[in-house]
Amino acid sequence: GEDVEQSLFLSVREGDSSVINCTYTDSSSTYLYWYKQEPGAGLQLLTYIFSNMDMKQDQRLTVLLNKKDKHLSLRIADTQTGDSAIYFCAESKWNTGNQFYFGTGTSLTVIP
Amino acid sequence: GAVVSQHPSRVICKSGTSVKIECRSLDFQATTMFWYRQFPKQSLMLMATSNEGSKATYEQGVEKDKFLINHASLTLSTLTVTSAHPEDSSFYICSARDQGRGLGNTIYFGEGSWLTVV
Repeated sequence: GEDVEQSLFLSVREGDSSVINCTYTDSSSTYLYWYKQEPGAGLQLLTYIFSNMDMKQDQRLTVLLNKKDKHLSLRIADTQTGDSAIYFCAESKWNTGNQFYFGTGTSLTVIP
Repeated sequence: GAVVSQHPSRVICKSGTSVKIECRSLDFQATTMFWYRQFPKQSLMLMATSNEGSKATYEQGVEKDKFLINHASLTLSTLTVTSAHPEDSSFYICSARDQGRGLGNTIYFGEGSWLTVV
């Protein structure tokens, strides 16, 4: 079955860049996503990348995809205290009706 | 943009009672909705796939008689936790597929519902 893994914790200083990593096992994944979950809140879609892309940039967010190594990363430039949250990567395949498989989540702590 | 709404966002119920959580697609029709559960400090796990007009498809290990899913219309799916126990306390979140859009950003998540069973 699908297996999506992330490191559990990451701490960075305010103003530095954060890089959150994710590995997955299913090479037939169609889309890969990054979601943010703040304490006591729901999921917020940050960005997604189609599997035939290598990189996608959206303001402070940069997603890198290494399909050969099945490695996905999210870089947050100029990290702010408001970025402190849990970040989930997720993958889906269109032919499964967009059923999602989530990673374990990375808790990002931004130190002022 | 498309919005998926869940209600209630937080609910506390007594052990042994049942609680219903609603998931609505507000501006699109969704023949398929998904229900996930998140245990504290863990990832989200798919519980079941809700299909409009037919029975839900449950993931292995999820008790269908305990977690009743009804998808009676194209904009509403409900999850009922029957005879709730403290171990059912969790964060439940739904997602809905906007089949009218292209591939990719067609899945929208609700805000989630925090269930506490006391």
